[in-house]
Amino acid sequence: NAGVTQTPKFRVLKTGQSMTLLCAQDMNHEYMYWYRQDPGMGLRLIHYSVGEGTTAKGEVPDGYNVSRLKKQNFLLGLESAAPSQTSVYFCASSYLVSSGADTQYFGPGTRLTVL
Amino acid sequence: AQSVAQPEDQVNVAEGNPLTVKCTYSVSGNPYLFWYVQYPNRGLQFLLKYITGDNLVKGSYGFEAEFNKSQTSFHLKKPSALVSDSALYFCAVRDSWGKLQFGAGTQVVVTP
Repeated sequence: NAGVTQTPKFRVLKTGQSMTLLCAQDMNHEYMYWYRQDPGMGLRLIHYSVGEGTTAKGEVPDGYNVSRLKKQNFLLGLESAAPSQTSVYFCASSYLVSSGADTQYFGPGTRLTVL
Repeated sequence: AQSVAQPEDQVNVAEGNPLTVKCTYSVSGNPYLFWYVQYPNRGLQFLLKYITGDNLVKGSYGFEAEFNKSQTSFHLKKPSALVSDSALYFCAVRDSWGKLQFGAGTQVVVTP
């Protein structure tokens, strides 16, 4: 049981390049999330998905796109990278529990630098 | 809109002393509150959560948190800190859609 995995772990891009970050979970979770972490700002939600084939915007969605074609995978795309997107990106997943007891489980992160 | 605040950027404590990391929240309705810990170059690890019931919540690695509705606080505590507790700690509040709103984080430094 690998939990939540992220690919790649590190990446350096030049401004204007594109890339896709892959998140995979083997816990059969319905919900998946993409966050970015910047110093002094905690984690901010970029996009999330409540199930296969569905996605929704979070707090900071601009410049990013996502897709959830399979329940276990959640892809984050940067079409034209900008230096402001230099950050550490975390994926998380959870069950949906109406009582609020669901816990998000996080991947190890992807450190992205845009030059 | 819901939010959490962690008023301290850093907490310094000597090994063996009590550790407290503060968190206050603002929500409409019942709060669902979480604490996560992040070790260097790692992802976030779940420590504990408050959903309902007992105001004192026990979690992983000897941590506990006290929910105080009147003060809208959810402070993380450990009776005796270890050097290995040095890490970045995040408080978070869950909304009705399952999304988490995180605080800015508190760096804990435990010195031998």
